Amino acid sequence: EPEVTQTPSHQVTQMGQEVILRCVPISNHLYFYWYRQILGQKVEFLVSFYNNEISEKSEIFDDQFSVERPDGSNFTLKIRSTKLEDSAMYFCASSEFINIQYFGAGTRLSVL
Amino acid sequence: SQQGEEDPQALSIQEGENATMNCSYKTSINNLQWYRQNSGRGLVHLILIRSNEREKHSGRLRVTLDTSKKSSSLLITASRAADTASYFCAYQAGTALIFGKGTTLSVSS
Repeated sequence: EPEVTQTPSHQVTQMGQEVILRCVPISNHLYFYWYRQILGQKVEFLVSFYNNEISEKSEIFDDQFSVERPDGSNFTLKIRSTKLEDSAMYFCASSEFINIQYFGAGTRLSVL
Repeated sequence: SQQGEEDPQALSIQEGENATMNCSYKTSINNLQWYRQNSGRGLVHLILIRSNEREKHSGRLRVTLDTSKKSSSLLITASRAADTASYFCAYQAGTALIFGKGTTLSVSS
């Protein structure tokens, strides 16, 4: 069964460093998303991406964040200068249409 | 807040019992979805119910939706230890899914 894959599973970084989280969405999907989940809290929407541009973004998705689809298969989330409060699980998701989203297993980001 | 809110926050039952989780939301919706999250893992889609539907079944899952009360419930019948997970309701807001805080279900054998 097709699945969304995310790498790495765990990323440790120093405060102020840049990180890139990578995702390979399901191949025939057209919509891509990033969400985050701070430990013990709910899953929060960050951004959606369609047709090579951002469709929507939340208040969390400020200028420190960017997304890119550098080739036909990868979808990346970049955090330019990480802060302690960026520590969270980051989930990538994809969907064929705007309804059911399929999530990856997540990348745990630890900012020290 | 426009977020969905589930209750109870935590539920512990024995294998074979039924588990009911409730969700309330505060805005008009096109559909409501339920997802499961095993500890430390991603979210798995369980079921989607459209705003013009009142009840939907999928295997041991039964979902109801009451748009007049802005609430939904997820019933898991004949629960198994493998059902132990967190369960979230989510509604579509544009392209985004807005998730509730979830119900943590523990099923003991």
